Amino acid sequence: KNEVEQSPQNLTAQEGEFITINCSYSVGISALHWLQQHPGGGIVSLFMLSSGKKKHGRLIATINIQEKHSSLHITASHPRDSAVYICAVGSPNTGNQFYFGTGTSLTVIP
Amino acid sequence: KAGVTQTPRYLIKTRGQQVTLSCSPISGHRSVSWYQQTPGQGLQFLFEYFSETQRNKGNFPGRFSGRQFSNSRSEMNVSTLELGDSALYLCASRTGTGNEKLFFGSGTQLSVL
Repeated sequence: KNEVEQSPQNLTAQEGEFITINCSYSVGISALHWLQQHPGGGIVSLFMLSSGKKKHGRLIATINIQEKHSSLHITASHPRDSAVYICAVGSPNTGNQFYFGTGTSLTVIP
Repeated sequence: KAGVTQTPRYLIKTRGQQVTLSCSPISGHRSVSWYQQTPGQGLQFLFEYFSETQRNKGNFPGRFSGRQFSNSRSEMNVSTLELGDSALYLCASRTGTGNEKLFFGSGTQLSVL
C-alpha cells in the first residue's frame, strides 16, 4: 500500500498546453512538497504546502486537506518543463517521516 | 549562499564493503535528511538529523546509519554492502524549525558490484 499516489505516471504534452499532475495521500500530514527532478538527478523543491494554493511563475500548486489531494498545474508548458515531478508528504503520525509518490515523468514537445 | 554539497559524486564498491557518504548543508541549516532513490522503489526516506540528534527514521535496516557533527555536516554509513544498495543517495537540508522547503544536494551515485 502506497501512502502517496500520483497520476499520471507519464505525460506528454505539446508546448503551450496546460498540464495537471495529481497527488493523493492516505496519511495525516504536516506539509506536502512538490519536487522537480531533471535528468542527472538534481532535485529542486518547487512548493511546500500545508493549506490552500501557491503560485510561482507558471506553476500553481493547490491542496485540499479534507480530500487529502493536491494538484500541480503548469500553464503555457515549455520544453524546459520536461522533468519528473514528485509529490512528497511529511507525516507527524509517523515521526515526521517523509513519504514519496512514484513521480510523474513529463515530456513537453516543441 | 553555497548550496548543499554531497561528496563523492560517484562511488563503486563491492559486496561486503562499507561506505561513508558526506553532506554539507546550507549555512545556517541545522536539519539534514537522507534519501535513497532507485528505479524500482523511487525515493525513500532514510533518516533526519537535527542539531546532532537523529530526529526521524525511515524503514531501513540497521546497516544504514548516520551522524551529524556540531557544524551540521552529516555523514551516512552503509555497512556490509549488498547489490540492492546500488542507488542514488540524496541529502537535503533546511533550518529545521518548522514546515519549510527542502534543499537537495546533487547526490552520490553508489554502485555495488
